[in-house]
Amino acid sequence: QVTLRESGPALVKPTQTLTLTCTFSGFSLSTNGMCVSWIRQPPGKALEWLARIDWDDDKYYSTSLKTRLTISKDTSKNQVVLTMTNMNPVDTATYSCARQYGSSGIDYWGQGTLVTVSS
Amino acid sequence: EIVLTQSPGTLSLSPGERATVSCRASQSVRSNYLAWHQQKPGQAPRLLIYGASSRATGIPDRFSGSGSGTEFTLTISRLEPEDFAVYYCHQYSTSPQTFGQGTKVEIK
Repeated sequence: QVTLRESGPALVKPTQTLTLTCTFSGFSLSTNGMCVSWIRQPPGKALEWLARIDWDDDKYYSTSLKTRLTISKDTSKNQVVLTMTNMNPVDTATYSCARQYGSSGIDYWGQGTLVTVSS
Repeated sequence: EIVLTQSPGTLSLSPGERATVSCRASQSVRSNYLAWHQQKPGQAPRLLIYGASSRATGIPDRFSGSGSGTEFTLTISRLEPEDFAVYYCHQYSTSPQTFGQGTKVEIK
């Protein structure tokens, strides 16, 4: 079955760079039409889409965050990595990765990992 | 960027009642690539509807989606106790993808 799991630091300091890894199983990111997105959700607030990487290595980013985000994949390890530079307390949120496949949109979500930005 | 505006922000209903949530897009959602996700406290979101009107695997038929272009609707025909949650619309037709601000369906 399809599973996704996020990993990374629970706490980062302001100005630091956050690196999150999404490890997935049950599908291959080399399959035509397959994508992985990152989404975040500040406590008590709405979902915010951050970035997406496609099977052909095309990459897409949030307009407001694109200067701070980098998404990459390691198909052999079934992993997608998201880095976010210059972290700020307002970036405190649960960060989730999710599978996206063709016309179905986001069909599987990871449980998410809470990242707190504080000195 | 396509802005999605959901209404109402909160819906107070009783079990057995019908729930209707609207999602308006600032520009046309190409190919009706509009989805609805349900989120319960402390849980990951779950896909309910994709392509505006197609139910995801395992979703009960009391959930239905409709609409096209810039106006979309999620309808829950008869609310069950487990349906009280927050619902988000999501457009994936154009990057950057966007979510609505969410609609909370609460017990009256």
